[in-house]
Amino acid sequence: DAGVTQSPTHLIKTRGQQVTLRCSPKSGHDTVSWYQQALGQGPQFIFQYYEEEERQRGNFPDRFSGHQFPNYSSELNVNALLLGDSALYLCASSLAGLSGIKSETQYFGPGTRLLVL
Amino acid sequence: AQRVTQPEKLLSVFKGAPVELKCNYSYSGSPELFWYVQYSRQRLQLLLRHISRESIKGFTADLNKGETSFHLKKPFAQEEDSAMYYCASGGYNKLIFGAGTRLAVHP
Repeated sequence: DAGVTQSPTHLIKTRGQQVTLRCSPKSGHDTVSWYQQALGQGPQFIFQYYEEEERQRGNFPDRFSGHQFPNYSSELNVNALLLGDSALYLCASSLAGLSGIKSETQYFGPGTRLLVL
Repeated sequence: AQRVTQPEKLLSVFKGAPVELKCNYSYSGSPELFWYVQYSRQRLQLLLRHISRESIKGFTADLNKGETSFHLKKPFAQEEDSAMYYCASGGYNKLIFGAGTRLAVHP
């Protein structure tokens, strides 16, 4: 099991562009969370997807959107990129199971480093 | 609002010295608390969670509800413990991280 995988590893965009980041969860996991980690800071929660729906959202604008596919993989989309969106974007997967609401241990991917020029 | 505070950006110790990485949280309910570690060039990984009461790699952390703290401790630091440590609070689907503390263990 390769664990959580993310693509691409690095990305350079210019202001105003749009970007899509991808995540495949750990085998057996059904829940995907996305985090933004700016330089020198801890990860900040963006949102979480379960059963193909956004279950909870952090304090991020609507420019940040996502999707979860039937195979549990997920995408993070950011529109109208700003310089301040430059960061490491982390995907984490967990197993909600039948409970659907319990906070289970999250396993992190290696991240996608986004640079906005 | 839920918040996790790690007051030290850097903790520098010598090999064999005791280590305590501080973490304070604010949460109105019963929090689930975690310590994550990131070694150089590796992904963020779970070190321990309070609910399991385990000792991982010699590290322990005790939840003190009165002081709202979850400090990470190890009696004798090793050079391989050098890494970035993040305390996190979890509840209903999301993790709130502190800013992290870099632990540097010198020979």
